[in-house]
Amino acid sequence: AQKVTQAQTEISVVEKEDVTLDCVYETRDTTYYLFWYKQPPSGELVFLIRRNSFDEQNEISGRYSWNFQKSTSSFNFTITASQVVDSAVYFCALSEGGSEKLVFGKGTKLTVNP
Amino acid sequence: DAGITQSPRHKVTETGTPVTLRCHQTENHRYMYWYRQDPGHGLRLIHYSYGVKDTDKGEVSDGYSVSRSKTEDFLLTLESATSSQTSVYFCAISDPLGADRVAYEQYFGPGTRLTVT
Repeated sequence: AQKVTQAQTEISVVEKEDVTLDCVYETRDTTYYLFWYKQPPSGELVFLIRRNSFDEQNEISGRYSWNFQKSTSSFNFTITASQVVDSAVYFCALSEGGSEKLVFGKGTKLTVNP
Repeated sequence: DAGITQSPRHKVTETGTPVTLRCHQTENHRYMYWYRQDPGHGLRLIHYSYGVKDTDKGEVSDGYSVSRSKTEDFLLTLESATSSQTSVYFCAISDPLGADRVAYEQYFGPGTRLTVT
């Protein structure tokens, strides 16, 4: 069965600090997809990234970067030089190849203080 | 913007009352989903649809039913609302993506906050 664990329930940092959000997944499939979503205080869910199991290259988008390691079944998300606007709940999710369903972790609430 | 709207956005109802939430999309997406979000649980799938009149159960389907008679509308019904169904409900859409057509990236509506008293 597929499962996503986000062990960090809440993280609090001061602006400009770097912060890493952890995501560990379980699946028996060799083809699968990993996702990150952001939910700011306004409540909407915003798609950030999708990564497939065959592509272990790290990805960087501005201050955001993602580290995918199959050896440890992890897909961690790092925010560099955090800003107050990064304050949100972040969800990691997994879908097995060919499945239209996502399984979500319970989320990590990030608070960036000025 | 995936063109998803949810109605109502907020609703307060009494235990035992039937409630229907509506998800409407304007871009002909094939798949539609209903999730509930509760503190400490993240998002959990209630039901989903893979086409008109084609639906299936998710992780937490008990007490809920759905219908999709048109591509653009996906309705979630609580036949007899209970206090445990107080939650924020999100609708989502997706389509098969990429050359392999097996990835399903989902986009979410704004959510409906339902309170059952």
